[in-house]
Amino acid sequence: GQQVMQIPQYQHVQEGEDFTTYCNSSTTLSNIQWYKQRPGGHPVFLIQLVKSGEVKKQKRLTFQFGEAKKNSSLHITATQTTDVGTYFCAGAMDSSYKLIFGSGTRLLVRP
Amino acid sequence: NAGVTQTPKFQVLKTGQSMTLQCAQDMNHEYMSWYRQDPGMGLRLIHYSVGAGITDQGEVPNGYNVSRSTTEDFPLRLLSAAPSQTSVYFCASRRGNQPHNYGYTFGSGTRLTVV
Repeated sequence: GQQVMQIPQYQHVQEGEDFTTYCNSSTTLSNIQWYKQRPGGHPVFLIQLVKSGEVKKQKRLTFQFGEAKKNSSLHITATQTTDVGTYFCAGAMDSSYKLIFGSGTRLLVRP
Repeated sequence: NAGVTQTPKFQVLKTGQSMTLQCAQDMNHEYMSWYRQDPGMGLRLIHYSVGAGITDQGEVPNGYNVSRSTTEDFPLRLLSAAPSQTSVYFCASRRGNQPHNYGYTFGSGTRLTVV
């Protein structure tokens, strides 16, 4: 079945350092979404990427979708303590209504 | 708008008991789904629905039933609770029955412990 792998599992950074999480799918995706979950909270939708090679930015966050539509990344520039949480990618296959989540990357930021 | 409402927030069950986790949304979203979240395993899809009267299995459907009699409600039933079903359960909904356009809105979750 469809699998979405995400690395690293954990990342502990000093405030001001950059952070990147990577997502890889075993199959070609129709789109990929990114979510953030604060400790004790629920996932919150950040963005969706649909096109091959697409790059989108939200302030300090940069999202990329690979040319083959099988991988994606989220890069945070100059992390802040408010960035703490777990970042999930979630992929959907063509002609499927299922959204499969990666295992997430937990980001910890030292002030 | 309340968004996605899940009840209860916490529940303790004994092995073998049954119960229903409630999920309701007031956004007229067509698509609803149930996920369970376990440490280190992300969110795994249990069941999903693309509209009233239509449901389908996700990655881990065994031990759970769903029904979708109305657009607003999507209850998840545990038939005979087992300790392996101890988890945090999230209900989510989104607009449209195409996966391309919209992100999910998640409920605040139900933390279930089976003893």
